[in-house]
Amino acid sequence: KNQVEQSPQSLIILEGKNCTLQCNYTVSPFSNLRWYKQDTGRGPVSLTIMTFSENTKSNGRYTATLDADTKQSSLHITASQLSDSASYICVVSAGNYGQNFVFGPGTRLSVLP
Amino acid sequence: IAGITQAPTSQILAAGRRMTLRCTQDMRHNAMYWYRQDLGLGLRLIHYSNTAGTTGKGEVPDGYSVSRANTDDFPLTLASAVPSQTSVYFCASSRTGQGSEQYFGPGTRLTVT
Repeated sequence: KNQVEQSPQSLIILEGKNCTLQCNYTVSPFSNLRWYKQDTGRGPVSLTIMTFSENTKSNGRYTATLDADTKQSSLHITASQLSDSASYICVVSAGNYGQNFVFGPGTRLSVLP
Repeated sequence: IAGITQAPTSQILAAGRRMTLRCTQDMRHNAMYWYRQDLGLGLRLIHYSNTAGTTGKGEVPDGYSVSRANTDDFPLTLASAVPSQTSVYFCASSRTGQGSEQYFGPGTRLTVT
């Protein structure tokens, strides 16, 4: 069964600190992996997307990594800001046409002043 | 450009009543999706449509129906609402093909009493 797991379930850090969120997946055939940010009461917004051949992708203070051999991805947030408080969702696309999206449960990040 | 809009923002509905959640996109995306998001769970696909005139069942389709009469609109209908359908509903759209990013609406919070 295609599945995406994320850890930790929730995380609290102080403003200015770095953090890393984890995503493990068992999805086949793999098409691509995305990280989304979801603010409270809003829809998810894409941060990064990586295909099988990419092992790192940055978007400002967000850096995603992908290890297709171990089927793991991480999202590293540098110099956190209060506005980073949100849920971060890992989504893996399965299938040859990349339209079967398998969502992880998300990691709830709280950045405190 | 509005992107993708949903209506209503929130709704309280008595069990047994019929309800249609509306979704409209102005990006001319071929594919559209309906998800529900429940606490502690990832987004789960209810129904999808790869192109106008076609629809398909997702992971949790029971109790829901959709139609896709044109490219822009993708309404979700609950024929006879039950309390287990209390959830936040997100509509999304994407171009078809590999690597297509999903764009999400702001969500509809539905409470069935």
